[in-house]
Amino acid sequence: EVQVVESGGGLVQPGGSLRLSCVASGFNFISYEMNWIRQAPGKGLEWVSYISSTATTIYYADSVKGRFTISRDNAKNSLYLQMNGLRAEDTAVYYCVREVTVTDNFDWWGQGTLVTVSS
Amino acid sequence: DIQMTQSPSSLSASVGDRVTITCRASQTIDTFLNWYQQKPGKAPKLLIYAASTLQSGVPSRFSGSGSGTDFALTISSLQPEDFGAYYCQQSYTMPVTFGQGTRLEIK
Repeated sequence: EVQVVESGGGLVQPGGSLRLSCVASGFNFISYEMNWIRQAPGKGLEWVSYISSTATTIYYADSVKGRFTISRDNAKNSLYLQMNGLRAEDTAVYYCVREVTVTDNFDWWGQGTLVTVSS
Repeated sequence: DIQMTQSPSSLSASVGDRVTITCRASQTIDTFLNWYQQKPGKAPKLLIYAASTLQSGVPSRFSGSGSGTDFALTISSLQPEDFGAYYCQQSYTMPVTFGQGTRLEIK
């Protein structure tokens, strides 16, 4: 069974850092592109970052560029998001999301991890 | 960035009703359009990709149509379990963008 499980969320002060992790199982992780997508409380979905299967291509939303870093360890079936310089507007549930390359869609989502940026 | 605009923002319908949600892109996106359903407190679930292809396991009462800039998600006969939020998403170009969502309530 396909599973992606996020961890690492929590309460952090403005300007602080947090590292999110996502462990995948039930599929060949190295064959898939992965993304982080977030959802602020009561709001819609916002794409955050993309990483190709071999990490050779990476994209970021303008709202996080220069502050967040996506990475992956295919040997550990893991995806990461290093978040620095956190702001109140980064408060959201962060989802680890598998992307299907051929059909360009997000076909498997984790349960999400909540990041709260507040003093 | 490509802006995705959904309408309506919310709607209330009865079991058995035919329901249509529309999504408009700010520029042409061919058929690079996906639809997701999200239940409260849960992660989104892929319903339809490439504008009209039903994801495996999704009931056939869901259908998608459109190309270019105008798209629609239709539920042919609304069921009680169809409540929740629905989002369209363009995968034509980076950054991928989502519509603001449509909240569907069952009367």
